[in-house]
Amino acid sequence: AQKITQTQPGMFVQEKEAVTLDCTYDTSDQSYGLFWYKQPSSGEMIFLIYQGSYDEQNATEGRYSLNFQKARKSANLVISASQLGDSAMYFCAMSDNTDKLIFGTGTRLQVFP
Amino acid sequence: DVKVTQSSRYLVKRTGEKVFLECVQDMDHENMFWYRQDPGLGLRLIYFSYDVKMKEKGDIPEGYSVSREKKERFSLILESASTNQTSMYLCASSTRDRGYNQPQHFGDGTRLSIL
Repeated sequence: AQKITQTQPGMFVQEKEAVTLDCTYDTSDQSYGLFWYKQPSSGEMIFLIYQGSYDEQNATEGRYSLNFQKARKSANLVISASQLGDSAMYFCAMSDNTDKLIFGTGTRLQVFP
Repeated sequence: DVKVTQSSRYLVKRTGEKVFLECVQDMDHENMFWYRQDPGLGLRLIYFSYDVKMKEKGDIPEGYSVSREKKERFSLILESASTNQTSMYLCASSTRDRGYNQPQHFGDGTRLSIL
């Protein structure tokens, strides 16, 4: 069965430093997509970045990059040059040839000055 | 930009009431979703609709129903609200134009309290 695992309930990082949020997944499909979302305390879910299983290069969107290691089934989110506004919950999600997403339990990131 | 609008940010209802949560999207997306979010459990899918009048049960449909009479609108109904339905409810939509594995776009969420 498909599953997403985020093992870090909480992470701290100092402003301007880089941080890696871990995500591992389990699927038997060859075609799948991996997503990261940010949820600030206000509640809205903001789509950050997408990686397709057949994409050879790691996805990047501004300060966000996805470290995709297919053999290890990991899709870690890297945030470079952290900002105070990056403090939020971060969710990893997966779809495997469906319209639906399966979410992990999230990691709470706190950025301190 | 995709806009998904949920009718209320905060809602307080009483046990046994019939509760309607409304969601509207403006991007002509085929797919719409309702999730509930509880601490430590992530997001769990309640119902999914891939077309008007079409619906599919998610992981936790018990105690809920949905309605999709128009493409842009997807309603979640709590037939007889109970205290264990106190939660954050999130609506999302996505396109089918480019096949599977598309990102979902979310509304701001409704924090529902059942007293």
